[in-house]
Order: sequence, then structure tokens, then C-alpha cells
Amino acid sequence: EPEVTQTPSHQVTQMGQEVILRCVPISNHLYFYWYRQILGQKVEFLVSFYNNEISEKSEIFDDQFSVERPDGSNFTLKIRSTKLEDSAMYFCASSEALPGWGRAFFGQGTRLTVV
Amino acid sequence: QKEVEQDPGPLSVPEGAIVSLNCTYSNSAFQYFMWYRQYSRKGPELLMYTYSSGNKEDGRFTAQVDKSSKYISLFIRDSQPSDSATYLCAFFGSSNTGKLIFGQGTTLQVKP
Repeated sequence: EPEVTQTPSHQVTQMGQEVILRCVPISNHLYFYWYRQILGQKVEFLVSFYNNEISEKSEIFDDQFSVERPDGSNFTLKIRSTKLEDSAMYFCASSEALPGWGRAFFGQGTRLTVV
Repeated sequence: QKEVEQDPGPLSVPEGAIVSLNCTYSNSAFQYFMWYRQYSRKGPELLMYTYSSGNKEDGRFTAQVDKSSKYISLFIRDSQPSDSATYLCAFFGSSNTGKLIFGQGTTLQVKP
């Protein structure tokens, strides 16, 4: 079965540093997403991306966050200046169509630890 | 009122039991209803999705939606230890951007 791959699986960074989380969505998918899950809490939507632009972002997705699809295969999430509260699992997802019509496949996640 | 409410559990059952997992929601705009399974430190995996009131069955899993009560359920028959995971309800339909709204998740443990 096709899968979404994320790298790295675990990233430790110092507060204030920039991090880039990488994802390779499924090749024929058109819609891309980032979600976050703080330990013990629910999965929260961060941003959706379609046709090379952000289609929706949450309140969490402030100016410190950005997304990019630099080369037609990778999809990245950048956090410019990490805070302690950014520590969480970050999940990339992709879907061929909007989730109502197709499955949203999630990657295995990147665990970000900010120290 | 929270947009989605899901009892976090944990729920512990013996192998072979029928499990019932539930979520309530308040947003009438939700049109599609999903259940994801999440193993510890892994990504959510879609189990079931429905878009109308009624039942949908897939193997040992049955998803039930009652739009009038804003209530969805997932039933697992003949539960197995491998079903031990966190089950997340998820909703789509309040935007056309693909955003999913998740419940907190219910942790299930099936004991052999």
C-alpha cells in the first residue's frame, strides 16, 4: 500500500533554532496537510495545502510556521524559531481528493523535542 | 460546548468482547464521519468513513452515525489483543479545504 514518509522520526532542537520537517506524500495526491499532536492531547490541524498554496491554516499556524513544496515531491514544514511548546508529534498527511471523497493517509510522524 | 467530545478511557475488555466507542459533536456542518486507529507513537490509520446516517460494516468493524443526535459509534466485534490502540473519531465538512477535526481519542486495551 502506498505510504506517506516523514523524516526525521525524531528531532531534538534548542529553543530558538529553526527546524524543517520533511514529508514525501503519496505521488498522485493533490492535497497535503500538517497536523500536530502534543503528548496526551488530540490531533490538531495546522495547515492544508493545495495547488501550491495554503488553503487553510489554524490559529496555531502563526508567522513562525511555513510550508513549502519545493520540488514537486517533498512537502516541508518549517518552524523558524522553536519554542518549548512546539514540542509535539507532527504528522504529514495527503489525499487524492478532499477527505470526504478519498482517504487521508498519514505519515508515521516526526517527534519534535525542543529543549 | 466542545465541537467534538470523546471519552478518553482507558477502556479495558477481555479478548472476544464487543467494544463500543462513541463520539458526540455539535457542528451541524459536519458531513463525513471517520474513525482512525492510532498505535502508540504512530500516525493515525483510517479504519472507517461514512457520510450518512446509518450503519456501515467492514469485517469486525461497524460504524454507526446518527446525525439527528449528532452521535457516532464504532463497534468492534470479537475484539483481539491486536485491536489495542487509541481510536480517534474525525469529522470533515465544515470547510472545503480538507481540514479534519479529531476527537481526543479513546484508548482501548484488549486483554488475552
